[in-house]
Amino acid sequence: EVQLVESGGGLVQPGGSLRLSCAGSGFSFSNYWMHWVRQTPEKGLVWVSHITNDGSGTSYADSVKGRFTISRDNDKNMLYLQMNSLRAEDTAVYFCASLPEWSYYGVGWGQGTLVTVSS
Amino acid sequence: DIQMTQSPSTLSASVGDRVTITCRASQSINSWLAWYQQKPGKAPNLLIYKASYLKSGVPSRFSGSGSGTEFTLTISSLQPDDFATYYCQHYSNYFRTFGQGTKVEVK
Repeated sequence: EVQLVESGGGLVQPGGSLRLSCAGSGFSFSNYWMHWVRQTPEKGLVWVSHITNDGSGTSYADSVKGRFTISRDNDKNMLYLQMNSLRAEDTAVYFCASLPEWSYYGVGWGQGTLVTVSS
Repeated sequence: DIQMTQSPSTLSASVGDRVTITCRASQSINSWLAWYQQKPGKAPNLLIYKASYLKSGVPSRFSGSGSGTEFTLTISSLQPDDFATYYCQHYSNYFRTFGQGTKVEVK
């Protein structure tokens, strides 16, 4: 069974840091690009970042560029999102996902982890 | 960035109705469009990819069409399990964008 399981969410003060993790299983993790997507009731689904299957390429939404870093460890089937200089507007449910790409339709989404930035 | 605009934002319908949701891209995305269904407290679930390809296991009452900048998701006969929020998402470049969502509610 394909599974993506996020962890690491929680309450953090403005200006603080948090690292999200996502464990993949049931599929060939190292073959897939991976993404982080966040969701709030106000803004809906917002793409945050992506990383290529071998980790050689990354991209970021303008709203998080310079503050967030995506990485992966294919030996451990793990995806990460290091979030620094957190702001109240970063409060959201964060999903890791294998999204459709030009050559495949992806394997799915994790259940999400809630990040709350508040003093 | 490519903007994705869905309409309507909310749709009231009854079981058995034919439902159509529209998604417009601010520039051509060829056929690089996906549709998702999301229920409260759950992750989005892929229904359609490459504009018109039905993901395996998704009921055939769902269909997608369009290319370039105009796309539609159609549910041919709405079922009780279909009351949910639907999102489109382009993948024509690295910077993915989602539509704002269409909530299908009970009329």
